[in-house]
Amino acid sequence: AQTVTQSQPEMSVQEAETVTLSCTYDTSESDYYLFWYKQPPSRQMILVIRQEAYKQQNATENRFSVNFQKAAKSFSLKISDSQLGDAAMYFCAYRSPGTYKYIFGTGTRLKVLA
Amino acid sequence: DTEVTQTPKHLVMGMTNKKSLKCEQHMGHRAMYWYKQKAKKPPELMFVYSYEKLSINESVPSRFSPECPNSSLLNLHLHALQPEDSALYLCASSQAQPYEQYFGPGTRLTVT
Repeated sequence: AQTVTQSQPEMSVQEAETVTLSCTYDTSESDYYLFWYKQPPSRQMILVIRQEAYKQQNATENRFSVNFQKAAKSFSLKISDSQLGDAAMYFCAYRSPGTYKYIFGTGTRLKVLA
Repeated sequence: DTEVTQTPKHLVMGMTNKKSLKCEQHMGHRAMYWYKQKAKKPPELMFVYSYEKLSINESVPSRFSPECPNSSLLNLHLHALQPEDSALYLCASSQAQPYEQYFGPGTRLTVT
């Protein structure tokens, strides 16, 4: 069975600085999808970024980028130029192709300090 | 329109009540999901509907009863709940291919 591990329960970053959230996963599959979701306090969960395992190129979305290391089964999220609005719970998630089941990590709470 | 809506936003119910949660999306997604989320925890999958048919039931107690009347609507019927069922209930939808999910804002349920 697949597992997703987020080893940092909480992290802090100064406004305008860069922070990296870690995520590792375990799977025997060669094809899968990885996601980072953001859930601000009392607000809706939204997709931050998506990575297909067959793509070698790391996904980027504006200030958000990932470091996808397939062999190491690592999928970290880098947030550049951190903003107060980035404060949220961040969940890493794994999904096998052909299934509707997501496997979520336990989350990392990110605090952004002014 | 990339929105999933959920009603009500908040719900307080007694253990003998019957209530329903409603979820709606108009993105043409053919998969819809119910999750339960406790504070500071990840969402726990409860049910998945694919093409209006129940495809995943994660051994959820029968006091939770899902219904998918059409491709845009998803309901969760609640009956005889326990205080430990108090949580945020999230609805999500996705395309049939396993890409990203879009989440609704959730219903905050309190069982007294």
